[in-house]
Amino acid sequence: KQEVTQIPAALSVPEGENLVLNCSFTDSAIYNLQWFRQDPGKGLTSLLLIQSSQREQTSGRLNASLDKSSGRSTLYIAASQPGDSATYLCAVKPRDDKIIFGKGTRLHILP
Amino acid sequence: NAGVTQTPKFQVLKTGQSMTLQCAQDMNHEYMSWYRQDPGMGLRLIHYSVGAGITDQGEVPNGYNVSRSTTEDFPLRLLSAAPSQTSVYFCASSYSKFDNQPQHFGDGTRLSIL
Repeated sequence: KQEVTQIPAALSVPEGENLVLNCSFTDSAIYNLQWFRQDPGKGLTSLLLIQSSQREQTSGRLNASLDKSSGRSTLYIAASQPGDSATYLCAVKPRDDKIIFGKGTRLHILP
Repeated sequence: NAGVTQTPKFQVLKTGQSMTLQCAQDMNHEYMSWYRQDPGMGLRLIHYSVGAGITDQGEVPNGYNVSRSTTEDFPLRLLSAAPSQTSVYFCASSYSKFDNQPQHFGDGTRLSIL
């Protein structure tokens, strides 16, 4: 059974630092992996989607990588800002099955 | 673009009452799904639909019904509310179950069962 783990559960870093959020999954037979952002009291917003044939995707200050063989993905945030404070969730889509979400990393950027 | 719209945003029910959570999308998405989000449990899939007239169960379907009479709408019905159904409910949509397009989420319905 596919399991998705995000460690740490919470993270605080000073403004301006570069940071990495981690996501691991147990079954490498995935169709794609998505990173989402969730602000308090809001729904999820898709940040980046990496197809199984891709190694990384970039959007602005965000870069997500995928290593299927090791069951790992990272979300790199460059030059962090207080507005980046949110919960970040990763989700994997197995082939022919439903999306599995991690429990998220709660990120706090200190001004 | 309205995207995925959920109503109501907040609701308080008494045990045993029934209600329908509404979800509508204007993106002509075939795939729609309902999740509940609970502290420490993450997001869990309740029901999903791959197109009008087709629905299926997810991980935690008990106590909930769905129907999909149109592409746009996917309501979730609580048959007889129980305190264990206190949660935040999210509706999501995407073009299809098998595509590589991101899912779009509504802002959620916060439901309390007394």
